Amino acid sequence: GEDVEQSLFLSVREGDSSVINCTYTDSSSTYLYWYKQEPGAGLQLLTYIFSNMDMKQDQRLTVLLNKKDKHLSLRIADTQTGDSAIYFCAESVKAAGNKLTFGGGTRVLVKP
Amino acid sequence: GAVVSQHPSWVICKSGTSVKIECRSLDFQATTMFWYRQFPKQSLMLMATSNEGSKATYEQGVEKDKFLINHASLTLSTLTVTSAHPEDSSFYICSASRSALAYEQYFGPGTRLTVT
Repeated sequence: GEDVEQSLFLSVREGDSSVINCTYTDSSSTYLYWYKQEPGAGLQLLTYIFSNMDMKQDQRLTVLLNKKDKHLSLRIADTQTGDSAIYFCAESVKAAGNKLTFGGGTRVLVKP
Repeated sequence: GAVVSQHPSWVICKSGTSVKIECRSLDFQATTMFWYRQFPKQSLMLMATSNEGSKATYEQGVEKDKFLINHASLTLSTLTVTSAHPEDSSFYICSASRSALAYEQYFGPGTRLTVT
């Protein structure tokens, strides 16, 4: 079955790096994703990684994928107050029509 | 590009009435649209998947007679909550996909429904 789990909360000081972790159970995941949700808003796709990759970097964002341990992380460098939001990891499986399965979300609070 | 809108952004209705939520892809044609439900401080739960011109596919546990989905065109899908009850109060989010690839799924801003 599909199960994606994340820690609930992360507090970080402005300028520091944030690391948000996610674990998943479906070994047939095709892609893994990180979304950002600001209060009262929909989801914004931040980045995604194909399951045969182990790292992807995009400006301040670095995604690490450990397929053996089914562990995904998102590192945000030089965290800003505007990064305060809820971050969801998600997976999709080609055999399931590429439907997205979301984790519970990690609330990130950036303190000045 | 790839903008998805929802209308209304919030709605309050009385118990027993029905409410319709629209989801539009503004600058692309969506092969598939998805409807999600999000409870406070919780994750998104997929309710149904709809393709233009065909019946929606509902996830297990979602009442199709209560949550009516119509996907009339490649840019518009509607979700009607029929005979709403307070437990239907939630944040409803749609997404539209312009391909079969999940990373080309774009999310609307959501509709907050409160049933009194």
